[in-house]
Amino acid sequence: DQQVKQNSPSLSVQEGRISILNCDYTNSMFDYFLWYKKYPAEGPTFLISISSIKDKNEDGRFTVFLNKSAKHLSLHIVPSQPGDSAVYFCAASHFGNEKLTFGTGTRLTIIP
Amino acid sequence: SQTIHQWPATLVQPVGSPLSLECTVEGTSNPNLYWYRQAAGRGLQLLFYSVGIGQISSEVPQNLSASRPQDRQFILSSKKLLLSDSGFYLCAWTVGTATYEQYFGPGTRLTVT
Repeated sequence: DQQVKQNSPSLSVQEGRISILNCDYTNSMFDYFLWYKKYPAEGPTFLISISSIKDKNEDGRFTVFLNKSAKHLSLHIVPSQPGDSAVYFCAASHFGNEKLTFGTGTRLTIIP
Repeated sequence: SQTIHQWPATLVQPVGSPLSLECTVEGTSNPNLYWYRQAAGRGLQLLFYSVGIGQISSEVPQNLSASRPQDRQFILSSKKLLLSDSGFYLCAWTVGTATYEQYFGPGTRLTVT
């Protein structure tokens, strides 16, 4: 049972434009959500997170939006840069859980 | 600052051979430790996690085992590798339940031939 889903395996965006990566979840107990960025042959790096008490969190060019009623979150990158080309994973957890549940990832390619 | 080490970086092993991957964390005490595998074209699959020395939770029945002989050391092992064990193995840590963010090591690329 895939509790965290990233339905788009890949996404291509022109440099300077907005990249929007989407993530859906099914477990209503999830109350904390994270985005990770992964380059080939490297470990994922933490990018940004959001608690379920918020609907938006912003950090520089990265903004995460949470729609709890739709069980949907998205990551916006503005403006997109070539160094943003990577695989992006969303992850979720809930209070008292030592584990993260990851999505399958979306490969973002920024076209110069 | 905290640092996580994994070795080796790459490994090519024949089917049926044993495996030992090591992960160590510096700069923190009593971390939660995790082993993940990323198979080709797949997401991150949690294999094992540990909240303390000698405490191991297995997420997926498989050909692998894990041990935590010291507070900041986490070892992934197999007695006999299968072709399906090929993948990118990642170790991660976090500090208890104070934060959800997990921090990953550089990974080990395992190819079973």
